[in-house]
Formats: sequence, structure tokens, C-alpha cells
Amino acid sequence: NAGVTQTPKFRVLKTGQSMTLLCAQDMNHEYMYWYRQDPGMGLRLIHYSVGEGTTAKGEVPDGYNVSRLKKQNFLLGLESAAPSQTSVYFCASSRAGTGVSYEQYFGPGTRLTVT
Amino acid sequence: AQSVTQPDIHITVSEGASLELRCNYSYGATPYLFWYVQSPGQGLQLLLKYFSGDTLVQGIKGFEAEFKRSQSSFNLRKPSVHWSDAAEYFCAVGGSNYQLIWGAGTKLIIKP
Repeated sequence: NAGVTQTPKFRVLKTGQSMTLLCAQDMNHEYMYWYRQDPGMGLRLIHYSVGEGTTAKGEVPDGYNVSRLKKQNFLLGLESAAPSQTSVYFCASSRAGTGVSYEQYFGPGTRLTVT
Repeated sequence: AQSVTQPDIHITVSEGASLELRCNYSYGATPYLFWYVQSPGQGLQLLLKYFSGDTLVQGIKGFEAEFKRSQSSFNLRKPSVHWSDAAEYFCAVGGSNYQLIWGAGTKLIIKP
């Protein structure tokens, strides 16, 4: 049982390049989330999904797109990377249900640098 | 608006000493409250949670937290810290649309 995995672990992009971050979970969780973490700012929600084929915007969605074609996978795309998107990105998943949906399981993170 | 405040950005504690990390929240209804821990270079891990009932909740790694409705607080405690407790600790409250509202985090530094 691997839990939540993220690919890649590290990436350096030039401004304007695109990339996709992959998140996979093997816990059969309904809900999945993408966060970014910046020093002194805690965690900020980018997008989330409450089920296969469904996505919604979080607090900081601009410049990102997501897809949830399969229940176990949640992809985060950057179409045209900007230096402001330099951050550590975390994926998380949780079960559906009152209260338990907040018990999130996190991946190890992807450190992205945009130059 | 819902919010979570962790007033201490950094806390330094000697190994073996007791620890209390503060968390205050703003939420209209009875909150779902959480503490998560992030070790250096790692993702976050759930330490403990409060949904209802007993206001003193026990978590993993010897941590506990107490919900005080009158003070809108959910402070994290440990009677004796170990060097391995050095990490960043995040308080969170369950908000609308399945989202967690996060505090900014408190970095715990352990002095040998």
C-alpha cells in the first residue's frame, strides 16, 4: 500500500514551459486535492476533486489546470510556467463523508523551480 | 470568514521539556479541528483530530490537544519532547466544500 505518490519529485522549468504533475493514490479515496506550499504562507489549495470526472477551483487556481479521468489519479498542469509558480506542490486524498473528508493523506511533494 | 491563527512562527524547546503550540480558530458552528505535522522534506501527516465529545483528544507520537470552545482554541501539547519532534506543525479547521482552512504553521526547534 503506497498511499499517495507524486511524480516527479523535483523539476526545473524555464518561464513559458509547460508540465504536468501526477498524483496517484491506492486507497480508493473519493476526494483529491492539490496544494502549494510557500514559506510563511502555509498550504494553499489550488484545485480539488470530489470524484472521477469532477474538479473545482480552490483558493489559488490561476495558471493551473487539473484533470481527474481516473479515480486514483489527479493531474495538475501548468500551461505556461511563471517564476511565481516556484513552490512545493502537495497532493492529498481523503475519503468521502462528514468529517472524515478532512482527514487528508499527503504525498511527499514535488519541488518545482521556474527560472 | 473562517480562519485559523497560529501565533507562534517558531518555538524552541529543550529536549525533555514540555510543549504547547497554540491554535485559535474562527468558525461559526461546532468545528472539525486537526493538527498535522510536517517533518523536513516530507508531506504532512495527521497527528490528531477533534470532531465532538471529549474535549481532550489523544493523537499519535504522544501528542494531545484540548478543544476549548469559550476560547476558540485547540492547543497541541506534549509532556516531554524528543529531538525527533522537530518539525513544522499545522492546525486546521474543516471548512466548506470539503476544504481545510490552514494555519500558517509553527516550526518547532529542539535544543539538545
